Amino acid sequence: EIVLTQSPGTLSLSPGERATLSCRASQSVSSSFLAWYQQKPGQAPGLLIYEVSNRATGVPDRFSGSGSGTDFTLTISRLEPEDFAVYYCQQYGSSPLTFGGGTKVEIK
Amino acid sequence: QVQLQESGPGLVKPSETLSLTCTVSGGSINNYYWSWIRQPPGKGLEWIGYIYYNSEYTSYNPSLKSRVTISIDMSKNHFSLRLTSVTAADTAVYFCARDRGQLAIDYWGQGTLVTVSS
Repeated sequence: EIVLTQSPGTLSLSPGERATLSCRASQSVSSSFLAWYQQKPGQAPGLLIYEVSNRATGVPDRFSGSGSGTDFTLTISRLEPEDFAVYYCQQYGSSPLTFGGGTKVEIK
Repeated sequence: QVQLQESGPGLVKPSETLSLTCTVSGGSINNYYWSWIRQPPGKGLEWIGYIYYNSEYTSYNPSLKSRVTISIDMSKNHFSLRLTSVTAADTAVYFCARDRGQLAIDYWGQGTLVTVSS
């Protein structure tokens, strides 16, 4: 099983600032099948990024994904008020599919 | 717009079987994987498993494999989860979702809280 470790656990930032979220895998993620999801309280997660760097339909271009192998990054270039949420990475190249523990982006 | 809706009991007794159904509307069930994912209160996401639309392929999380069955009914556009011998550790919000394979999970149900308690 591939274990995904997200850091930091919590990121305290102000609107307009840049957010950099990390996701590290215990072994190489197959075929770059790494996704990022955003979850707000009381809601289901929503897809932001798939295949490491492809934005899902309707996702603003302030969200970008990068990385390869075992190290991946989600960057939010300028935080908007609606971006404060929990973010999860997921690898889906190997079974079982696994999620990271999440990074909470909170308002400073 | 594709919509998924979970349904089933919100309370299950320990040692009994949890059964949930996910109804898919606004789109075809064909050519996708259909997943179940759960989230204990205040915690992260755990993939339970998925089934291909024609039932030819299923995959389960090894941590749950001995207790889980996912099935699908194409004629009714729904798929189901059975989890046997539940304990308090199975208390969670259960989400159903559409998995596009290499394009990841793009649609989720709103989730349903299932509490295991006597």
